[in-house]
Amino acid sequence: NAGVMQNPRHLVRRRGQEARLRCSPMKGHSHVYWYRQLPEEGLKFMVYLQKENIIDESGMPKERFSAEFPKEGPSILRIQQVVRGDSAAYFCASSPGTSGPPNFGPGTRLTVT
Amino acid sequence: TQLLEQSPQFLSIQEGENLTVYCNSSSVFSSLQWYRQEPGEGPVLLVTVVTGGEVKKLKRLTFQFGDARKDSSLHITAAQPGDTGLYLCAGMNRDDKIIFGKGTRLHILP
Repeated sequence: NAGVMQNPRHLVRRRGQEARLRCSPMKGHSHVYWYRQLPEEGLKFMVYLQKENIIDESGMPKERFSAEFPKEGPSILRIQQVVRGDSAAYFCASSPGTSGPPNFGPGTRLTVT
Repeated sequence: TQLLEQSPQFLSIQEGENLTVYCNSSSVFSSLQWYRQEPGEGPVLLVTVVTGGEVKKLKRLTFQFGDARKDSSLHITAAQPGDTGLYLCAGMNRDDKIIFGKGTRLHILP
C-alpha cells in the first residue's frame, strides 16, 4: 500500500509565476490536509478537504492560494503570483476520516527566486 | 484559537540520559498524536492517544495523555543518537482538524 505521494519534491518558481503542488492520498483515504512549514518551525495548518469539498480553510491566505480535491485525481494546492515569502516546505497528509490520524507525504519544497 | 505549546523547544543531552518533552494546551482534544520528523522528510506518526490518562509505550519511548485530554508528555529512556530529530505533537479536535505544536528539536550527543 503506497503512502501519501507528493510531487514535485522540489519546485523553483520566479516571483509572479504560479506554483501547483500535487498530493495523492493513500488508497482509501478521503480526507486531505495541507500544511506549511518554514525552516526550524512546526507545521502550520492551511486547509482540510474531503472529496470535492473544502471543510476548513481557516489557515489559508485569502488571496493567491487555493486548494481542491476533485472526485478523481490528486489534491492540488495552487499558489498564484508567488512571492519570496511563499518559499517553504508544503506537506500533505491524508486520513480515512474519523477513524484515524493522518499520514504525511514527503513534502514539496518550494523556492521562489 | 486552539494552541499547542511544546517545551522545551531545543534539548541537547548525552547518550544514555533520560528526557521528557511536554505538549500543553488550554483546549481539550479528542485525540493527540506524536510525530517525529527527520530533515528533508515528512513527519512520521509515532503514536495516537485517545483516552484521558492513557499511557502507551514504544520501546524506550513512553507517551502519556493527560487526564483532562489537554496535555501530553513523551519520555525517552536511555536516549540514543538515533533518537535525534524534531518531535511534534498534534491535537485533533471533534471536527477532525489537526493542530500542531512548534516541536521539540532533540539532539543526542554520542
